[in-house]
Amino acid sequence: DAGVIQSPRHEVTEMGQEVTLRCKPISGHNSLFWYRQTMMRGLELLIYFNNNVPIDDSGMPEDRFSAKMPNASFSTLKIQPSEPRDSAVYFCASSLGRTNTGELFFGEGSRLTVL
Amino acid sequence: AQSVTQLGSHVSVSEGALVLLRCNYSSSVPPYLFWYVQYPNQGLQLLLKYTSAATLVKGINGFEAEFKKSETSFHLTKPSAHMSDAAEYFCAVSGRDDKIIFGKGTRLHILP
Repeated sequence: DAGVIQSPRHEVTEMGQEVTLRCKPISGHNSLFWYRQTMMRGLELLIYFNNNVPIDDSGMPEDRFSAKMPNASFSTLKIQPSEPRDSAVYFCASSLGRTNTGELFFGEGSRLTVL
Repeated sequence: AQSVTQLGSHVSVSEGALVLLRCNYSSSVPPYLFWYVQYPNQGLQLLLKYTSAATLVKGINGFEAEFKKSETSFHLTKPSAHMSDAAEYFCAVSGRDDKIIFGKGTRLHILP
């Protein structure tokens, strides 16, 4: 079975450029989460969706970040314009049913470097 | 609001020795608690979870954790460490919504 698929795995870009990270959740899962991992701050929840609807985006750092889930099999996280402090590993995770009694399945992450 | 604190960003144990990774939580409602493991260049994988059933929870790879409400703790243990246990371990908490909040992680080093 295919797991959560993220692309690109690695992205190097220059400050000011637009970055789009993509995620395909596990088929049939109805919740999707975007996390950001850095050495300083650990794993931070940015936003999560349930049945394609954003439920909580309080973790999105600022207006430069936006996320969409146009359908059950695809989500994007966009940073525009990017800044060096956005450098991190971005993880997408999906789950079936209520997350707090279930399990999050993580993708392998997208490592973003902003120069 | 929920939060977790993991004591020790790095822990080293000898192969065959007891593994103890500490986690304390804060929650305004009865919590759900989790331990996840992350191997290099991979996403996180669930080790075990506490969801208000038995307070001693057994997970994969010989790990277990005990929920202690009086101490607000959910420490992870394994009787005998193996080289393959070297990884980063994350404690996480969730309340009545679907948000899972992770600690900052503890990197476990296994000494030969």
